[in-house]
Amino acid sequence: TQLLEQSPQFLSIQEGENLTVYCNSSSVFSSLQWYRQEPGEGPVLLVTVVTGGEVKKLKRLTFQFGDARKDSSLHITAAQPGDTGLYLCAGAGGSGNTPLVFGKGTRLSVIA
Amino acid sequence: ETGVTQSPTHLIKTRGQQVTLRCSSQSGHNTVSWYQQALGQGPQFIFQYYREEENGRGNFPPRFSGLQFPNYSSELNVNALELDDSALYLCASSFGTSRYNEQFFGPGTRLTVL
Repeated sequence: TQLLEQSPQFLSIQEGENLTVYCNSSSVFSSLQWYRQEPGEGPVLLVTVVTGGEVKKLKRLTFQFGDARKDSSLHITAAQPGDTGLYLCAGAGGSGNTPLVFGKGTRLSVIA
Repeated sequence: ETGVTQSPTHLIKTRGQQVTLRCSSQSGHNTVSWYQQALGQGPQFIFQYYREEENGRGNFPPRFSGLQFPNYSSELNVNALELDDSALYLCASSFGTSRYNEQFFGPGTRLTVL
């Protein structure tokens, strides 16, 4: 069974600070996705990373896929209250139609 | 373009009862996946429907069943409800079954089993 461990579970920071959240596994994933989920809503896809070592940027968010495709990180620069939410990573296994495996998420609170 | 909608928003049932949750997929999407998200957990894959057929199932017992209709909307049925079935049930629609196709999630149905 493929598992994804996310850390930290909870993070509370001041507006303007930087932060990094992690998504780790002992399994290799063919791709990894990051979602943000706000209360009362479903997860919204932020990014998909496919290649080991890949780095993608989305405004103040930087996503990296580990070289061995077992881990990923999300770095937020100058966090804003609008970044508050639950950040979920989800990995896909080897074959084309295998379902996504989600981590438990990191709950981020950015205080103004 | 209409997004993914789910009904009802909230539901309270008692142990042993049966429940049906509904999902309308985004316009143009032919695939619907259902997930269970317990409190403090990430979503867990229940099953996926593609062209009205089940196309993959997670580690859920047979009392979790589903349907997909010709218009690609879908239902999730849960029989003999247990307390542990209390969760947010999410559906996600996509075009095609590949994991590379972006899934669009609905807002979920919050089920409470007493």
